[in-house]
Amino acid sequence: SQQGEEDPQALSIQEGENATMNCSYKTSINNLQWYRQNSGRGLVHLILIRSNEREKHSGRLRVTLDTSKKSSSLLITASRAADTASYFCAHQALQGAQKLVFGQGTRLTINP
Amino acid sequence: EPEVTQTPSHQVTQMGQEVILRCVPISNHLYFYWYRQILGQKVEFLVSFYNNEISEKSEIFDDQFSVERPDGSNFTLKIRSTKLEDSAMYFCASRMEQGARNGYTFGSGTRLTVV
Repeated sequence: SQQGEEDPQALSIQEGENATMNCSYKTSINNLQWYRQNSGRGLVHLILIRSNEREKHSGRLRVTLDTSKKSSSLLITASRAADTASYFCAHQALQGAQKLVFGQGTRLTINP
Repeated sequence: EPEVTQTPSHQVTQMGQEVILRCVPISNHLYFYWYRQILGQKVEFLVSFYNNEISEKSEIFDDQFSVERPDGSNFTLKIRSTKLEDSAMYFCASRMEQGARNGYTFGSGTRLTVV
């Protein structure tokens, strides 16, 4: 299967703490992307990391990619209540396919 | 910031009826997609569209589904004879180029309920 898997499925932390979510996949990839989805809403692109990159930062977000382990992590530092959402990783395979293959997602709850 | 616009936001339809979900991608984007998300499940790829033709489709995208780009702005998904299991959130997405430089821009989705 090409489906990505994420863990944890749900994460609840206190405001100000850091949140780490992990993602694994099974194929060779062109890139891996992280998206946020607020309840019942659309998907918002957060960050894209290419297969030849190991780490990328964007504001309070830090993404790592380990192609040897076929895994990625998303770190949100100094979490805020507004970060409460579901977070999905999605990868684009190396060969041919344009489609994104999404993981199951992590439901993140930031408690004030 | 440019947006992908989807209409309607909600649609309720009877089983067996045809529905058309509409999307206006970002104007200078070249690649267009439909994804769906059944409640509580992961986002699934349906179809990609480039240069006025389907470039890839999933097993879900059977003969009941079709896509069109009837003019320079709209991108539609038609389900010919809806089934209960078609109930889902349908997302349209677009991107400017194929290369690994930017992510996709998704619309806010159309929640389709088949009764």
